Amino acid sequence: SQQGEEDPQALSIQEGENATMNCSYKTSINNLQWYRQNSGRGLVHLILIRSNEREKHSGRLRVTLDTSKKSSSLLITASRAADTASYFCATDPSGTYKYIFGTGTRLKVLA
Amino acid sequence: KAGVTQTPRYLIKTRGQQVTLSCSPISGHRSVSWYQQTPGQGLQFLFEYFSETQRNKGNFPGRFSGRQFSNSRSEMNVSTLELGDSALYLCASSSGQGGSEKLFFGSGTQLSVL
Repeated sequence: SQQGEEDPQALSIQEGENATMNCSYKTSINNLQWYRQNSGRGLVHLILIRSNEREKHSGRLRVTLDTSKKSSSLLITASRAADTASYFCATDPSGTYKYIFGTGTRLKVLA
Repeated sequence: KAGVTQTPRYLIKTRGQQVTLSCSPISGHRSVSWYQQTPGQGLQFLFEYFSETQRNKGNFPGRFSGRQFSNSRSEMNVSTLELGDSALYLCASSSGQGGSEKLFFGSGTQLSVL
């Protein structure tokens, strides 16, 4: 099974609201990353948090990581219609040279 | 810098045929990874190449193979296509030096098997 599981599977909010999505994983990791995918295109990297970090910010994005619970959350503040996309977390099990992607959260921001 | 280029963008094949997909990484990147994306299974790791060597592979049958050339361009091949191989195939490149590095994805090849 996939390493990452995300919830919710789908999220619909109004423009200006905050969106929170969660990711859980199963084994020890070097880092955790979040990616965005628009309409079945390629994924775009959003933010990376290392295993020894607890929180990271980038613009309207805030990511937290709890390695004891093997979970992470992505918060998008003041959402915009352009944030409508699928969001995936990705982890790299130590020493494997591969990234395992979560199941993704489909976010819809209504104007 | 040019991004990751995947060709072709769309492909329609019939069962039993074989297909080859191509991926040109960002200049200077030596690692190329391949992923299969389907609505039911999400993104599944196929394999990763670094300097022409496969360093890891996912749980796919032997019909799925890949290779990397000396210029870091990579190809993946699927033989004896099955209906279930219909998917978006994504490649991603990175420096491959390990540690905390991000992946740069191409736009993907949408494969339909009829």
